[in-house]
This record gives sequence, structure tokens and C-alpha cells, in this order.
Amino acid sequence: DAKTTQPNSMESNEEEPVHLPCNHSTISGTDYIHWYRQLPSQGPEYVIHGLTSNVNNRMASLAIAEDRKSSTLILHRATLRDAAVYYCILNAGGTSYGKLTFGQGTILTVHP
Amino acid sequence: DTGVSQDPRHKITKRGQNVTFRCDPISEHNRLYWYRQTLGQGPEFLTYFQNEAQLEKSRLLSDRFSAERPKGSFSTLEIQRTEQGDSAMYLCASSFRGGLSDTQYFGPGTRLTVL
Repeated sequence: DAKTTQPNSMESNEEEPVHLPCNHSTISGTDYIHWYRQLPSQGPEYVIHGLTSNVNNRMASLAIAEDRKSSTLILHRATLRDAAVYYCILNAGGTSYGKLTFGQGTILTVHP
Repeated sequence: DTGVSQDPRHKITKRGQNVTFRCDPISEHNRLYWYRQTLGQGPEFLTYFQNEAQLEKSRLLSDRFSAERPKGSFSTLEIQRTEQGDSAMYLCASSFRGGLSDTQYFGPGTRLTVL
């Protein structure tokens, strides 16, 4: 399984933008980049995913490097409810699609 | 609420006992996944179904673990002869596999404690 590398933790202040980086140097051409987050005492929650182009949705934006070896999840205005563990996951194509391999993720702390 | 539900939410058992967990996916979803999460770690994939077919079970942790999805709707995960190392959160997720997107929706999990 292709691996991702994320910082163990990051901190932000409320209402400021947050950029969560992820390195995936061994990504293959058919791997989708998925981001999930897990709030305390809850199951993971889908945030966003992309293949090559940058993506935006109501929760966040995903910026993907041109060589696809790294990506950044952008929360435009952090709130206290965004405090969670954020996981960057490569979702392999073909028959392996859907078998998510979670790493340890980035613990995001948001200060009021 | 039409999200993924899991039952029970908490289970305490003694070593050597069998336990069974149930997952009810979102109704139109054809894929169902089981994961295990230990403290401080990300979820670990165990097995998944497409409709009633179990497409992968090689990641099940031992032959004491088994899963079923008999009619392609709800699923059960059974652990026989539980051990203390089985203590963990067991998560279920479902998705609709069609097209290029396979967003998984997770349930709240079943927390197992083996004494």
C-alpha cells in the first residue's frame, strides 16, 4: 500500500486558515488522494478527495502538487469544531479501491 | 437519521467469550467495510463486502474473526474466543460503489473491552 506522511500535530487559531500538508512520494497514477477527519469519540468523516486537479467543497479545499507527490488540505477559516485528527489516504484504483489505509494522521488543535 | 448505525455501542466481555457486532449501512449503499481502531492509531481495514459477496478477508486478524452480510444489507462481525488484545473500537463504513467516487460513511463504532 502506498504510504503518506503527515505531521503529528498542528495548531491554529479560530477563524484563521489552516494548511495541512501530506507527502505521498510513492503515489501511483491511479491513486486517489482522500482526506478524512475524526472528531473525538466519533467515526471518521469524509472531507474531500481528488486525483490531479485542485478540488473545493463546502468543507475544505484540496491542493494537489503538479507531480502529485504531495497535497495540502486547506480549511479556510478554522472553527473549534474543526479540532480533530486529519487523515490523508491514498485510495488505490482498480480492485483495491475502497480499502482505506489510515496512517496516524495530524492532530489539529484550534485555539479560541 | 439515515446514517450508518452500529450495535452495541459498547461491549464488555470476559476473555474466551464470543462477541458479535452488528452494522446497518445506509440503505442504498452496496459496499460495507469493517475496520478496527486501537488507541492512538488510525483505523485498520479488516474486510469488506459488495452486496452479499465478501471480496476480501485476508486482512481479518485471525481465524477467530469472521464477518457476514447475508442479504446484502446489514452485516455482523464475530470474534470467537476473545483475547485481551482484541480490545479496540470496531468501525463499520458503507459506500455506493459506482463511478469513480467511493466516499465511505462511518458509523459511531462499537467499543470492545475484553477483561
